[in-house]
Amino acid sequence: DTEVTQTPKHLVMGMTNKKSLKCEQHMGHRAMYWYKQKAKKPPELMFVYSYEKLSINESVPSRFSPECPNSSLLNLHLHALQPEDSALYLCASSERVGQALNEQFFGPGTRLTVL
Amino acid sequence: DAKTTQPTSMDCAEGRAANLPCNHSTISGNEYVYWYRQIHSQGPQYIIHGLKNNETNEMASLIITEDRKSSTLILPHATLRDTAVYYCIVRAGGSNYKLTFGKGTLLTVNP
Repeated sequence: DTEVTQTPKHLVMGMTNKKSLKCEQHMGHRAMYWYKQKAKKPPELMFVYSYEKLSINESVPSRFSPECPNSSLLNLHLHALQPEDSALYLCASSERVGQALNEQFFGPGTRLTVL
Repeated sequence: DAKTTQPTSMDCAEGRAANLPCNHSTISGNEYVYWYRQIHSQGPQYIIHGLKNNETNEMASLIITEDRKSSTLILPHATLRDTAVYYCIVRAGGSNYKLTFGKGTLLTVNP
């Protein structure tokens, strides 16, 4: 299984809602990533988890809260978002963080709209 | 990581080779050249990477110039499904975790 799955595919939420994005991989990868992609822009790294521990936070606002409950799952909890947070949220995984030559496998993304 | 420069867009006829250039004139000795692509509304997909030598896999070939300041990704027989944004990324080896995507090249394969 060389797939990264993400749910939901689409999400519409109000600024006062709390929602979560989910990501799952069964490749035995120990590094997982969240990226944000605005329309017509390249993906930008948000968070990196290595062995279920948060290792990198790219100065992301606290209204985005990542969680890695186990080595296969990665969540992104959303609270009090703004309309400018509307974007495609991509999850990725790779074998290790330290081995930089490892390719990253990306999921299809969750398209988030904040009203 | 070194910066890359790619054309904004390119066209290619179906069945012909697509040659996508990338300039990375400030590349360091320990930096690799990676290529990813992103088909519309999908996540990016790894294609190939290389350091000095030319590389080939089932998807593409990567030609890196001797001075390593530029490279070309070659899709030997482009199909309509190869229409995508292609990203050239330069990335150090070792503990570097980060993929820094540039603007990429939109390749349109025409019938």
